[in-house]
Amino acid sequence: GAVVSQHPSWVICKSGTSVKIECRSLDFQATTMFWYRQFPKQSLMLMATSNEGSKATYEQGVEKDKFLINHASLTLSTLTVTSAHPEDSSFYICSARGDRSTDTQYFGPGTRLTVL
Amino acid sequence: GENVEQHPSTLSVQEGDSAVIKCTYSDSASNYFPWYKQELGKRPQLIIDIRSNVGEKKDQRIAVTLNKTAKHFSLHITETQPEDSAVYFCAAKGYNYGQNFVFGPGTRLSVLP
Repeated sequence: GAVVSQHPSWVICKSGTSVKIECRSLDFQATTMFWYRQFPKQSLMLMATSNEGSKATYEQGVEKDKFLINHASLTLSTLTVTSAHPEDSSFYICSARGDRSTDTQYFGPGTRLTVL
Repeated sequence: GENVEQHPSTLSVQEGDSAVIKCTYSDSASNYFPWYKQELGKRPQLIIDIRSNVGEKKDQRIAVTLNKTAKHFSLHITETQPEDSAVYFCAAKGYNYGQNFVFGPGTRLSVLP
């Protein structure tokens, strides 16, 4: 149980284009989903927290107009990197948490974004 | 806000030996402490967690100990195997449901055959 999928697993795009990444909880309802960014050999940096049906809460220093997050249902959250630039290249990982009875977060497999 | 430190940053052990990774946290209100294992290019996997009302938890070769007074918790892996080689992250979370994890910087464990 507690499986989180992420799509695509990797994407290469040209500078200036937008890229959408999907995060799905496959066997549970995720009231909260998290988006992280991870640089090589570094820790997980929380970008934003999204609760189903409400606006995402962004961490300090994360541009909400550049990283659009939508959590339209209890099983799907999307991250759109708008007008991507080479410095946006990174490993993006989502995680999902169930209801208030649990603190555990389950991570997706990650999406490696390369912006040329 | 919460700050989590983790030591050592790298650790090499011989197969069969034990490995210990220690994390310290700053917020005494934190009450949930998970440990994640991440292999190269893969997702972090929860391996064990502990709550502040418990001092120790064990699952086969893996154990976690928590010292609330000193605000530190440690991961213990016994009888290490090559497949234990990975990056291990600790995290701390406050008691409110809406609070997020604060991750440590990670420890790269290498188990040498």
